[in-house]
Amino acid sequence: QKEVEQNSGPLSVPEGAIASLNCTYSDRVSQSFFWYRQYSGKSPELIMSIYSNGDKEDGRFTAQLNKASQYVSLLIRDSQPSDSATYLCAVLSGSARQLTFGSGTQLTVLP
Amino acid sequence: DAGVTQSPTHLIKTRGQHVTLRCSPISGHKSVSWYQQVLGQGPQFIFQYYEKEERGRGNFPDRFSARQFPNYSSELNVNALLLGDSALYLCASSPTPGLAGGEQFFGPGTRLTVL
Repeated sequence: QKEVEQNSGPLSVPEGAIASLNCTYSDRVSQSFFWYRQYSGKSPELIMSIYSNGDKEDGRFTAQLNKASQYVSLLIRDSQPSDSATYLCAVLSGSARQLTFGSGTQLTVLP
Repeated sequence: DAGVTQSPTHLIKTRGQHVTLRCSPISGHKSVSWYQQVLGQGPQFIFQYYEKEERGRGNFPDRFSARQFPNYSSELNVNALLLGDSALYLCASSPTPGLAGGEQFFGPGTRLTVL
């Protein structure tokens, strides 16, 4: 079983819609969770971090965390073509508290 | 303030050669982590350094080594290159590993191609 799993995608949504990205993790003691956005040919860019159960909102982005279900999600409201990218879920874990990434979900927002 | 910088941007090597990749963290950050990202996958953890000491190592062979300098910059060395080492090598900077939430900020990466 992979340590961090994401819905494989690719995911396509029309402009203005809500994009929903999901992630599950296996390490129950993980405390810190991140979403990175990666444009093609570029490096990952941190867009959200979440540490407590519940929702965290930042502009058009909402991260949701449920530690009991070992589930974290990212909602993008009013999706724009510029949101088209691969979204990586990352969990802080391990003895060095390094990031463990999922394989990413490719999102395309159609104009 | 400048972000994380990495050099070189691109590199082409042949099998069996050695490569050194360099990284400078964000000013004030004392921890550097290295990740390898192959096409279609998420980054995989290679090393983490803090205050010049290795804090963690991922599941990579001994051909991979790294070090951190007193100014907190870092080098990643890979010996006896294999075709499978072709990847984007990412350096991430954080203030202190595992504390304050553990946010890590990535540099632009070094694209290594092994022929």
